[in-house]
Amino acid sequence: DQQVKQNSPSLSVQEGRISILNCDYTNSMFDYFLWYKKYPAEGPTFLISISSIKDKNEDGRFTVFLNKSAKHLSLHIVPSQPGDSAVYFCAASYNFGNEKLTFGTGTRLTIIP
Amino acid sequence: GAGVSQSPSNKVTEKGKDVELRCDPISGHTALYWYRQRLGQGLEFLIYFQGNSAPDKSGLPSDRFSAERTGESVSTLTIQRTQQEDSAVYLCASSLAPGPNYGYTFGSGTRLTVV
Repeated sequence: DQQVKQNSPSLSVQEGRISILNCDYTNSMFDYFLWYKKYPAEGPTFLISISSIKDKNEDGRFTVFLNKSAKHLSLHIVPSQPGDSAVYFCAASYNFGNEKLTFGTGTRLTIIP
Repeated sequence: GAGVSQSPSNKVTEKGKDVELRCDPISGHTALYWYRQRLGQGLEFLIYFQGNSAPDKSGLPSDRFSAERTGESVSTLTIQRTQQEDSAVYLCASSLAPGPNYGYTFGSGTRLTVV
């Protein structure tokens, strides 16, 4: 039972344009959401997070939007840069501060120069 | 150390053999987690250690899997009688305190291949 879903395994975006990565979840108990970025042969690195009391969180070029009623979140990267090419994982937890994260299967983002 | 260190980086083993994977967390990080990623899947929680508390083993897939941690330092994940379905990248992460809001730091992982 995949509780966190990333339905697009891959995405290609022109350099300078906006990249939008999507994530859906099924467990309404989830109250904290994170995005991780992973380069080949490296561990995932934390990118940005959002708690369920907010609907938007912004950090530089990265913005995460949360739509609780739709159980959907998205990561916007603008402008996209070649170094953004990586696999992006969406993750969620419940009982704010709970230790375990439930991850999606990832979306491979390729930025085309 | 500066980051989470895992060894070996790659391990090929024969089906039925035991393997031991090692994780050195960031100094001072009280929480330590093991995840694995099988091909085409997301990261799957295995086990969590916090200080001297009993570990949360709820993610271990079978009794062939076990893990230990010495105080707030090194952890080892042991897989006995390995099976082909154990092939995966095993990732260790540590954080300053429990909870994802503190941010995990992941190691580069151990790629385990069971042949």
